[in-house]
Amino acid sequence: EPEVTQTPSHQVTQMGQEVILRCVPISNHLYFYWYRQILGQKVEFLVSFYNNEISEKSEIFDDQFSVERPDGSNFTLKIRSTKLEDSAMYFCASRDLGSPLHFGNGTRLTVT
Amino acid sequence: GENVEQHPSTLSVQEGDSAVIKCTYSDSASNYFPWYKQELGKRPQLIIDIRSNVGEKKDQRIAVTLNKTAKHFSLHITETQPEDSAVYFCAAGAGSYQLTFGKGTKLSVIP
Repeated sequence: EPEVTQTPSHQVTQMGQEVILRCVPISNHLYFYWYRQILGQKVEFLVSFYNNEISEKSEIFDDQFSVERPDGSNFTLKIRSTKLEDSAMYFCASRDLGSPLHFGNGTRLTVT
Repeated sequence: GENVEQHPSTLSVQEGDSAVIKCTYSDSASNYFPWYKQELGKRPQLIIDIRSNVGEKKDQRIAVTLNKTAKHFSLHITETQPEDSAVYFCAAGAGSYQLTFGKGTKLSVIP
């Protein structure tokens, strides 16, 4: 069964540094998402992406965040200047039209 | 925006018993209600979903019911097994799949 793949599995960075989290959605999927989960808390929507542009974003997704689909396979989340409170598990997800969301295994981001 | 409340936050059942988790939502525009199972340190995995044009859906030991009028939906797991132990999240969303998740229920099945 095809899977959403995310790299790295764990990223440690210092406060103020930029990080890029990478995702390879399932190949025939058209809709891409980033969610985050602070340890022990619920999963929270960040942003959705379709047809090479952001379709929706949450209040969490402020100017420090950006997404990009640099080529036909990758989907990235960039955090420009990380803060301690950005420490969380970040999940990429994708879906096809009418299909449910498929989540990747996540990237654990630790900001020190 | 949408607000999803989930209860209980923890649930312990004896192996073989049933488990029920309940969620309420606030936005009447929501029409898609998935349930995810998350094992420790792993990704959420879809176990069942229901759309607003259906009142109940069943898949083996798992069933979900939806009451649109009351804006609540429930997950029922029958004949629970130790491997059912995990955190279960309900979610609600409209066609865009911008899902709003509940806070999760930690289910423990005691052998």
